Amino acid sequence: AQSVTQLGSHVSVSEGALVLLRCNYSSSVPPYLFWYVQYPNQGLQLLLKYTTGATLVKGINGFEAEFKKSETSFHLTKPSAHMSDAAEYFCAVSDRYQGAQKLVFGQGTRLTINP
Amino acid sequence: DTAVSQTPKYLVTQMGNDKSIKCEQNLGHDTMYWYKQDSKKFLKIMFSYNNKELIINETVPNRFSPKSPDKAHLNLHINSLELGDSAVYFCASSQEGYRANVLTFGAGSRLTVL
Repeated sequence: AQSVTQLGSHVSVSEGALVLLRCNYSSSVPPYLFWYVQYPNQGLQLLLKYTTGATLVKGINGFEAEFKKSETSFHLTKPSAHMSDAAEYFCAVSDRYQGAQKLVFGQGTRLTINP
Repeated sequence: DTAVSQTPKYLVTQMGNDKSIKCEQNLGHDTMYWYKQDSKKFLKIMFSYNNKELIINETVPNRFSPKSPDKAHLNLHINSLELGDSAVYFCASSQEGYRANVLTFGAGSRLTVL
């Protein structure tokens, strides 16, 4: 079964600093990986996804993630944090179950931006 | 236009009551889902429907009964509410159940059971 581990339930960075949110996965098949962001009192929205092809994936709001098969990782980065990036971030791996897609989420990482 | 809308946004009720949450999507998607987010923000799938047919039922208690009258709607009815049912329930939809597809989530319905 697929699983995801996000290292660090809470990450705090200064505005303008590098953001690094860690995600490791376990999958018995080639993984399809996603990062979703949840702003306070809102639903989740997609930041980026990796399916096949280029291992460095660019998403919205300046975020990117790199798929590293040898490390079973899919870490999320942003070169320069902005106050508006404060949110909860979820890494997920996609499984297929009886014809339906099943997203398995990590436990989430809360990103705080310090002025 | 809201793509995936859920009602109500907040629901406070007593133990033992029965309540429903409604979800509608206007994206033309074939597949709809219910996810539960607990107090620690952990998200877990509960149900998935494809074209009104139940595909995934993730060992959810029988007190939870989803209903999909058409492919644009997926409702969640909960009987005999318990304290542990307090959570945020998210409805989502996707084009099909293909692994690469992106889910579009609603804003969530926060259920508090007293």
